[in-house]
Amino acid sequence: DAGVIQSPRHEVTEMGQEVTLRCKPISGHDYLFWYRQTMMRGLELLIYFNNNVPIDDSGMPEDRFSAKMPNASFSTLKIQPSEPRDSAVYFCASSLSGVSYNEQFFGPGTRLTVL
Amino acid sequence: QQPVQSPQAVILREGEDAVINCSSSKALYSVHWYRQKHGEAPVFLMILLKGGEQKGHEKISASFNEKKQQSSLYLTASQLSYSGTYFCGTEKAYSGAGSYQLTFGKGTKLSVIP
Repeated sequence: DAGVIQSPRHEVTEMGQEVTLRCKPISGHDYLFWYRQTMMRGLELLIYFNNNVPIDDSGMPEDRFSAKMPNASFSTLKIQPSEPRDSAVYFCASSLSGVSYNEQFFGPGTRLTVL
Repeated sequence: QQPVQSPQAVILREGEDAVINCSSSKALYSVHWYRQKHGEAPVFLMILLKGGEQKGHEKISASFNEKKQQSSLYLTASQLSYSGTYFCGTEKAYSGAGSYQLTFGKGTKLSVIP
């Protein structure tokens, strides 16, 4: 398997623009997680899905952030409008089942810079 | 609430040992350990599920003390390839089961020098 695939790998945008990050989980994995990593706050869970259904979005920082998973092989994280403080590396991860018994496989990440 | 890792950073010479600690204020169901090299994604090392459980992965092992809500990662006879940032991810216990999500510590940066 190709592993978790994320696109784009790098994104530079201007404040106020809409940003869409994409993720393809490993085939057969039931759980998908979106994380944000910054030096100050570390690796934060934003939202996670089970069988395409959002389970917990309490980590989404503001209404400017939204995530969808229209099918088992695709998810998006959208920021609209973007702000400089959104600059971070965004990781998507998937796992076969619940994290109690299964490792999370991380994608390569999208490095977002908002000017 | 984010688990607390210590130390924040450590420098080792090849062949030396290190211990990285992870402490939580919440009751835990499982603890994960990941290693991240600069510019790369975190990579899974191991899961500890039961209180008092110990696991090994080559020369890297870990323990989980459920009562103390603590986990420790042990790196023995360190190699240059061990350099990176180590994260613990904790899963809160919820009604006798797990909460299905991880909260990560801020990481411990390990540098192994020749």
